[in-house]
Amino acid sequence: KAGVTQTPRYLIKTRGQQVTLSCSPISGHRSVSWYQQTPGQGLQFLFEYFSETQRNKGNFPGRFSGRQFSNSRSEMNVSTLELGDSALYLCASSPTSGVQETQYFGPGTRLLVL
Amino acid sequence: GIQVEQSPPDLILQEGANSTLRCNFSDSVNNLQWFHQNPWGQLINLFYIPSGTKQNGRLSATTVATERYSLLYISSSQTTDSGVYFCAVSYNFNKFYFGSGTKLNVKP
Repeated sequence: KAGVTQTPRYLIKTRGQQVTLSCSPISGHRSVSWYQQTPGQGLQFLFEYFSETQRNKGNFPGRFSGRQFSNSRSEMNVSTLELGDSALYLCASSPTSGVQETQYFGPGTRLLVL
Repeated sequence: GIQVEQSPPDLILQEGANSTLRCNFSDSVNNLQWFHQNPWGQLINLFYIPSGTKQNGRLSATTVATERYSLLYISSSQTTDSGVYFCAVSYNFNKFYFGSGTKLNVKP
């Protein structure tokens, strides 16, 4: 089975722009979660989607949004980019609820905001 | 949210040495996982272990849920074990709280 894939792997944007990141979960997995990793804040939960519905949300401003499609692929969007949005964005998938399940992470997208 | 504390923050070992990494968490959880982050940033699952003990080769893990801690043991360490080890816990579906990690450097 193919693992979790994320595109693009690297991205450079300038302040004020917006960006869309994509995540394809493992085949059959219906839950997709997003995390932001920075040297200062570590790994922080952004949101989780299950069956096209946002099931959980972290403490990030409304500039961060996401969605999930019927094939479980997910996208996250960051509008009006700030320098502090520079980070590694990781996507994870699991079969359903996460309870008694292992989460599998993708390779990440490195975003640099100039 | 749940507070997750990992110790030690940094660890330097000679190849062949053993080590124990600790993860304390502040509330009851229904999911606990250990990950190894490779130099390229990918998180690799090591264990799903909300309670009990598991072993996989030179690695083993123990979680004592009633006392809210988990331990990751690495025996006969190798240079390829270098990287950052994270503990992550959840009590609400897939909303995971991560510790700040233990950075392991195994020297030849």
